[in-house]
Amino acid sequence: DAGITQSPRYKITETGRQVTLMCHQTWSHSYMFWYRQDLGHGLRLIYYSAAADITDKGEVPDGYVVSRSKTENFPLTLESATRSQTSVYFCASSESLYQPQHFGDGTRLSIL
Amino acid sequence: QKEVEQNSGPLSVPEGAIASLNCTYSDRGSQSFFWYRQYSGKSPELIMSIYSNGDKEDGRFTAQLNKASQYVSLLIRDSQPSDSATYLCAVQREYGNKLVFGAGTILRVKS
Repeated sequence: DAGITQSPRYKITETGRQVTLMCHQTWSHSYMFWYRQDLGHGLRLIYYSAAADITDKGEVPDGYVVSRSKTENFPLTLESATRSQTSVYFCASSESLYQPQHFGDGTRLSIL
Repeated sequence: QKEVEQNSGPLSVPEGAIASLNCTYSDRGSQSFFWYRQYSGKSPELIMSIYSNGDKEDGRFTAQLNKASQYVSLLIRDSQPSDSATYLCAVQREYGNKLVFGAGTILRVKS
């Protein structure tokens, strides 16, 4: 079944470690997005990508790295995790910027 | 002023009533508007998209857009306990790369 999948669903790690969250979509959507959702802040855009090899910063990019070598994959890497990056991370995709975004199930990340 | 504002609630309505959720936005040139439903511990799920002034109906849901007043609303008719969730309003800016989300309104439908 077509859709957008995130892995892992849950992750616990320690400060200073590198963590990569995976996102895969089967719709062939051009745009992909990473958000974090925290109480009191709502959904905040971390990075987005308009196509393979085209990425750009969102509202809260510091401490995160993305890549998009293939249209269907958009991994998010925390190079040196900090406790402030404990959050729920959602990946989303859309056909264009003005079409609705569809979200994956999320990754709940805890950094101890 | 926040770019997209919603009353955080909770909004409590009895089963079978109409729930009215409201959203205002600051970017006058915004063109695309979306309502998402998010159950606790789940991801946002698209309910409605609306792009032009007026009403758009889909089953029990009606989205209303008034660009002059910079206002978008969602009506849920015959509310059910299963409608209890947080409803997120999202607005796409006229220019730029960002879909701006409101903080969400918690809806509770009591049976």
